[in-house]
Formats: sequence, structure tokens, C-alpha cells
Amino acid sequence: KNQVEQSPQSLIILEGKNCTLQCNYTVSPFSNLRWYKQDTGRGPVSLTIMTFSENTKSNGRYTATLDADTKQSSLHITASQLSDSASYICVVSVSNTGKLIFGQGTTLQVKP
Amino acid sequence: DTAVSQTPKYLVTQMGNDKSIKCEQNLGHDTMYWYKQDSKKFLKIMFSYNNKELIINETVPNRFSPKSPDKAHLNLHINSLELGDSAVYFCASSLSGGIGFTEAFFGQGTRLTVV
Repeated sequence: KNQVEQSPQSLIILEGKNCTLQCNYTVSPFSNLRWYKQDTGRGPVSLTIMTFSENTKSNGRYTATLDADTKQSSLHITASQLSDSASYICVVSVSNTGKLIFGQGTTLQVKP
Repeated sequence: DTAVSQTPKYLVTQMGNDKSIKCEQNLGHDTMYWYKQDSKKFLKIMFSYNNKELIINETVPNRFSPKSPDKAHLNLHINSLELGDSAVYFCASSLSGGIGFTEAFFGQGTRLTVV
């Protein structure tokens, strides 16, 4: 069964600190892995997309890693800001089907 | 300019009613989707249209009927609304149905509450 699991479910950190979110997946055939940020009351917005041949990709203070062998990904946020408070969703694309399999998200709260 | 726009943003209606949610994208994409986000925040695909043709139809009650008048629009009509239909519905669009390396852009969502 195609599945994406994320941990932790929620996280509270102080402004300026770093954090890492985890994603494990069992999706086949694999096309690519995406991290999305979803602000409260808004639609998801893409942060990074990685294919199986990419190990790491950065977007500003966000750095995603991918280990296609262990089927794990992480999203590292550096020097967190209050505006980083949101849900972060790991999404895996199934090859040749157009389907996106979503994790349940990690809710991050950055406190001053 | 909003890339993917949905209307309405909020919809409160009684059980048994029929309602529609509209979606439009101005990105020139050829594929559009409807997703449902439940109370546990999981997003699940409901339908996907490529160039007005249905390509993904997940196990969704036939009370839900998508309609794509052209590739820039994908509307969702729901008949005989039930309490369990309460959720946030997201429209999205991409190029070429997600095959390969395509980005999906999401609308802001429509929060449907059935009372």
C-alpha cells in the first residue's frame, strides 16, 4: 500500500532555532518527493521537489534530503522565523499515474 | 493574480442539498485535480482531469461529479450532501498530469460544512 508517514506530528521551537522534520515512505513506483508548506487556511505551497537521484535540495532556509535506498526524507529548517509556523507536508509522486500520496503533515509552531 | 482560484472559500449548507464548488487556473496547465482534506489533515485525491478528460477517479461516492468545461476550469458538484462530506476541498493544477517532474499548484481551499 502506498503510504507516507511523517514525524513528529507536531513540534514547538523557539524563534532562531533549527529543526528537522522526518518523512518515511512506501510508494512504488517512485517518481519524486516533494515538501509542501501549508499555512492555516491556505493551500499547500511547494518548497522542494527531488527525484531519486537527488540527495539534497535547498530553498532558502529550507533544506530537504532524500535517501532513496532507505526511503526516507528530511526537511531541515535553519534559523526559524515566526512565519515558519505552518504544517509541513511530505508528498510522494507515483510514477506515470499523476497521483500524489500525502503524509499527514507536521505542525510546526515557532514561538518568540 | 491568483494562479488557482476556488469559490466559494466557505460553504455552509444543510444535509440533502446540492452544491457546487468552482475552480479556475490561469497558469496554462493541462491537468487539474480535486483533493479532499479531512479532519486529520490528510489530503487525498478525488479526481484528475487532463485536457478535459477524466484520468483519475478514486473511490468517491457518485454523488460527487466533476465537470471540466475547458482545461482552465474544473468544477465539483455534490448531490445530496451528507454530514461526512464536511471537509476542506482543494483544487490544484499542473502540467502533464504529474508525469515526470511537474509542479502542482493548489488553490486556497473551500471549507464545506454540512449541518
